[in-house]
Amino acid sequence: EVQLVESGGGLVQPGGSLRLSCAASGFTFSSYWMHWVRQAPGKGLVWVSRINSDGSSTTYADSVKGRFTISRDNAKNTLYLQMNSLRAEDTAVYYCARVYLNWYFDLWGRGTLVTVSS
Amino acid sequence: QSALTQPASVSGSPGQSITISCTGTSSDVGSYNLVSWYQQYPGKAPKLMIYEGSKRPSGVSNRFSGSKSGNTASLTISGLQAEDEADYYCCSYAGSSTWVFGGGTKLTVL
Repeated sequence: EVQLVESGGGLVQPGGSLRLSCAASGFTFSSYWMHWVRQAPGKGLVWVSRINSDGSSTTYADSVKGRFTISRDNAKNTLYLQMNSLRAEDTAVYYCARVYLNWYFDLWGRGTLVTVSS
Repeated sequence: QSALTQPASVSGSPGQSITISCTGTSSDVGSYNLVSWYQQYPGKAPKLMIYEGSKRPSGVSNRFSGSKSGNTASLTISGLQAEDEADYYCCSYAGSSTWVFGGGTKLTVL
């Protein structure tokens, strides 16, 4: 089955760190660019970060630049998001998404909830 | 990286047509024909409904259509059905390998 499964979310204190994982299966993970998109409770979708197929190029939203790092391990079919210096406003469900035709997101995981609170 | 502007809510009766607008700027929607639309049910992951402004992925009903004029993209749903009740988000490429989503529109089928 073609799917993405996120994990690693949880409760973390402000200023803390967390690493999210996204396990891919059912398709050739190494051929696809991947993204992270987040959604605060009751709010809209917000693009977070993108990585190309071999991991050599990454981009970030201004709101997370310098604090978050996207990476991937194609041998393990896994995408990561290292989140440091977490703030309350980072509280959200984090989705990983596969890129379709370079510009669109055609496969999404179910998301993992990150809560930043003391 | 300001969010694209969508109406917070729209509604329609079964069988009617509705249109959701998505207004950006000359740096995103206006510069690229790379707008997509996503449907999201509560507690579920988004689903790609329209890409490249007006194309439908395989399996998406032809009741869904998209268009763009200048800095504004639009999603039209014709022959509204109860199952169309969901949140809808537009998304545009914004240059420099960044993307921007709209704030989302809640569709209510009366």
